[in-house]
Amino acid sequence: DQQVKQNSPSLSVQEGRISILNCDYTNSMFDYFLWYKKYPAEGPTFLISISSIKDKNEDGRFTVFLNKSAKHLSLHIVPSQPGDSAVYFCAARGDNFNKFYFGSGTKLNVKP
Amino acid sequence: EAQVTQNPRYLITVTGKKLTVTCSQNMNHEYMSWYRQDPGLGLRQIYYSMNVEVTDKGDVPEGYKVSRKEKRNFPLILESPSPNQTSLYFCASSLLDSSYEQYFGPGTRLTVT
Repeated sequence: DQQVKQNSPSLSVQEGRISILNCDYTNSMFDYFLWYKKYPAEGPTFLISISSIKDKNEDGRFTVFLNKSAKHLSLHIVPSQPGDSAVYFCAARGDNFNKFYFGSGTKLNVKP
Repeated sequence: EAQVTQNPRYLITVTGKKLTVTCSQNMNHEYMSWYRQDPGLGLRQIYYSMNVEVTDKGDVPEGYKVSRKEKRNFPLILESPSPNQTSLYFCASSLLDSSYEQYFGPGTRLTVT
């Protein structure tokens, strides 16, 4: 059973508005969470991360929120741009600090 | 340019014919890993390596082998490929720092008939 879940396969947002991508996890021992962005025919690229001891991390237009009690994290993109259209993967660092678990991805489409 | 390279990028093979997918990084990273991406399942970790001669199983290691004889290289070996190993494979590397931010290669599309 997947330990990291992204329940929305796709999301469509108008340019300039906020994009919110969600991710749920089951293992309370995960200590680090990361978001990757993937364009077609390319490998994933790192976007932003958050330690389990924090509840928010911000980097420019990207903010990740972590709710440990709910085992939920979200990625906010404000304002959304057409170049943000990609598949976004949520990932968690596992219990032995060397293994990583990824969600199934959410395809974001930002409409001009 | 800092990068992770994989070869080949595309491969079609037949069941049982041994193959190797190479992975090389030029960033002097200690950590390297292999993932497979399948529809609806995201990326799943196959094997990882903390350093030369140190490898360990990820979530889906069955049917795969790896070796880490040099720091920069981390080949993935399928000794007897089967159709259920048809997938998109990614190699990744990172420093062993507090974030484990991984750099991914461009992917290898493998089809086993």
